[in-house]
Amino acid sequence: GAGVSQSPRYKVTKRGQDVALRCDPISGHVSLYWYRQALGQGPEFLTYFNYEAQQDKSGLPNDRFSAERPEGSISTLTIQRTEQRDSAMYRCASSPQGSANEKLFFGSGTQLSVL
Amino acid sequence: GENVEQHPSTLSVQEGDSAVIKCTYSDSASNYFPWYKQELGKRPQLIIDIRSNVGEKKDQRIAVTLNKTAKHFSLHITETQPEDSAVYFCAASRSNYQLIWGAGTKLIIKP
Repeated sequence: GAGVSQSPRYKVTKRGQDVALRCDPISGHVSLYWYRQALGQGPEFLTYFNYEAQQDKSGLPNDRFSAERPEGSISTLTIQRTEQRDSAMYRCASSPQGSANEKLFFGSGTQLSVL
Repeated sequence: GENVEQHPSTLSVQEGDSAVIKCTYSDSASNYFPWYKQELGKRPQLIIDIRSNVGEKKDQRIAVTLNKTAKHFSLHITETQPEDSAVYFCAASRSNYQLIWGAGTKLIIKP
């Protein structure tokens, strides 16, 4: 594909529902990151994958948040029992070789609203 | 813990003037310092980066300088144009795969 693709673009859900956010990185990219970004703020790290291995999940706020990348390509971020405080822009990014010292390619994000 | 401080939070300059955004980092092991530009409603995009073995890097109207001793790095934009209006984020490498991000600077170019 042309870039990192995320779906859905917008998600409105009721408190208590589960949501699944999808990220399709650039083909062949080793690294995949999930970030949360509040309006006007910098990206907040959530989790990191190197191929299919989740190497760091220290940024996930609590155990309602989980992520997977089973085949080393597409990733899903799942939020269970959503709460209003989970409302935010969720962005995925990928990079070619798995190093912090290289360009990150961001997706257009999923804007999550929990009512 | 490690952090990156970015100043100012908002910067308003006259079109054609220069803009400077400054960041300070705390982790002496950081060795990679990218700058991302995020236009309203769009995704962040890398505009320039610098590694610790270099003191300055230029790309047309933008430049980045790095002072490792003082743990400062700065973004310089010359001859600003309306399309430079955006939020700019600095970052510093924290580990093999992680960046620490600044809080962002909203740059406003006045016509």
